[in-house]
Amino acid sequence: ETGVTQSPTHLIKTRGQQVTLRCSSQSGHNTVSWYQQALGQGPQFIFQYYREEENGRGNFPPRFSGLQFPNYSSELNVNALELDDSALYLCASSFLMGALNSPLHFGNGTRLTVT
Amino acid sequence: AQSVSQHNHHVILSEAASLELGCNYSYGGTVNLFWYVQYPGQHLQLLLKYFSGDPLVKGIKGFEAEFIKSKFSFNLRKPSVQWSDTAEYFCAVISNNAGNMLTFGGGTRLMVKP
Repeated sequence: ETGVTQSPTHLIKTRGQQVTLRCSSQSGHNTVSWYQQALGQGPQFIFQYYREEENGRGNFPPRFSGLQFPNYSSELNVNALELDDSALYLCASSFLMGALNSPLHFGNGTRLTVT
Repeated sequence: AQSVSQHNHHVILSEAASLELGCNYSYGGTVNLFWYVQYPGQHLQLLLKYFSGDPLVKGIKGFEAEFIKSKFSFNLRKPSVQWSDTAEYFCAVISNNAGNMLTFGGGTRLMVKP
C-alpha cells in the first residue's frame, strides 16, 4: 500500500482540451511533487508544492499548473492539451520541503492519452 | 546542465547471474542519491538511498549501491538476480545546488530469464 493515491487511473482527452489530475498525499506528508513520465523515459520533474505554494518548477510551459490544498492534496492542471502531453503523470509526496533526506513516495500514476 | 545518466537501457540476464547497473550524475554540491524500482504494473518504489556516511549502502531484496564521489557514480549491484527482479530501475539525484528537484535517469529495463 503506497499511501499516495491518484485519480483517475486512465484518461483520454482530445487535443486542445483541458485536464485535471488529482493526488492525495501519504499521511503525514506536506510536500507534493508532480512528474511526467513519457513512454520509455524516466520521470521528468514538473513542479513541487509546499504549504500550498509552488516551490520549484521544471522545464514545463505555463499551461501546466497546479494547486495544493490545506489537507496537502494536490491537483495538476494542463490546458490546451497537445499530443506530446500523452504520458504517465506521477504524484509523489514527502515530509519536508527542501529536506534532502526525505525520499519521495509515489502513487500509481494517471495515464493520459491525448488524441 | 545537471543530468543523470544510466548507461544500459536494456539488460537481459539469467537467474543467478550478477547484476551491475551504471549511474552517473553531473551535479556539484551535496547530493543525495536514490535507486527506485518499478515492477510491471506497479508504482515506483524506493530500493535504496544514500545521504551520507558509508558509501556502500544496502537496500531491500539484496540490492546494494556504491557511491564513488570522485567518479560521480552510484552503481547498483546484486550478486545473484532472481526472476522476480524483472523490472525497470531508475537512478535519481537531488542536489542542494538544484533546489528540490529530484532528477531521474532514463531507466534501465531488466529482464531476468528463469
